[in-house]
Amino acid sequence: GAVVSQHPSWVICKSGTSVKIECRSLDFQATTMFWYRQFPKQSLMLMATSNEGSKATYEQGVEKDKFLINHASLTLSTLTVTSAHPEDSSFYICSAGPTGAGANVLTFGAGSRLTVL
Amino acid sequence: QKEVEQDPGPLSVPEGAIVSLNCTYSNSAFQYFMWYRQYSRKGPELLMYTYSSGNKEDGRFTAQVDKSSKYISLFIRDSQPSDSATYLCAMSGYNKLIFGAGTRLAVHP
Repeated sequence: GAVVSQHPSWVICKSGTSVKIECRSLDFQATTMFWYRQFPKQSLMLMATSNEGSKATYEQGVEKDKFLINHASLTLSTLTVTSAHPEDSSFYICSAGPTGAGANVLTFGAGSRLTVL
Repeated sequence: QKEVEQDPGPLSVPEGAIVSLNCTYSNSAFQYFMWYRQYSRKGPELLMYTYSSGNKEDGRFTAQVDKSSKYISLFIRDSQPSDSATYLCAMSGYNKLIFGAGTRLAVHP
């Protein structure tokens, strides 16, 4: 089945630094990948849609200059949290589906827990 | 009104019970209906998906979709403590995946 790998699984950083999270589709190509954010005991909130070779599409209220998304290949999307602050501490999860599936039937990465001190 | 409504629970049942998890939705454009299981501090794991209306069975799990009522269900038979997790329904149909809030399930021995 489809496998999505996410790295790192856990990162701690100082306030003001930037953190990069990688999302890879291991056995399929994904034109589109999705980034979610999840606070404790809450559901997943879609942050942005990452499109290979073009700009990401951000959901309302998500700062695109703070959450930089790059989708340079059909198997890799990265999310960079720039100038991180404690309120950015959260669980970030990416997902992807085979090209052509769109947002239907996605596979999720294991998630990346960010703690900003 | 939210596009997808799901009771957050928590739902506590004894081992061996039949569990019924449900979601309602408002957008008739949804075509794919998914159930994900999420353990604490892990990413969601796809359990089952259904296209359009109907039933789908996989082992102890049965998914039902009633598009006329805009209602989906997940049944877990012979529930086990290892089934304790948060179950999220999700729907898509216009290149966007919308999640329910998730129902926390606890199966106690």
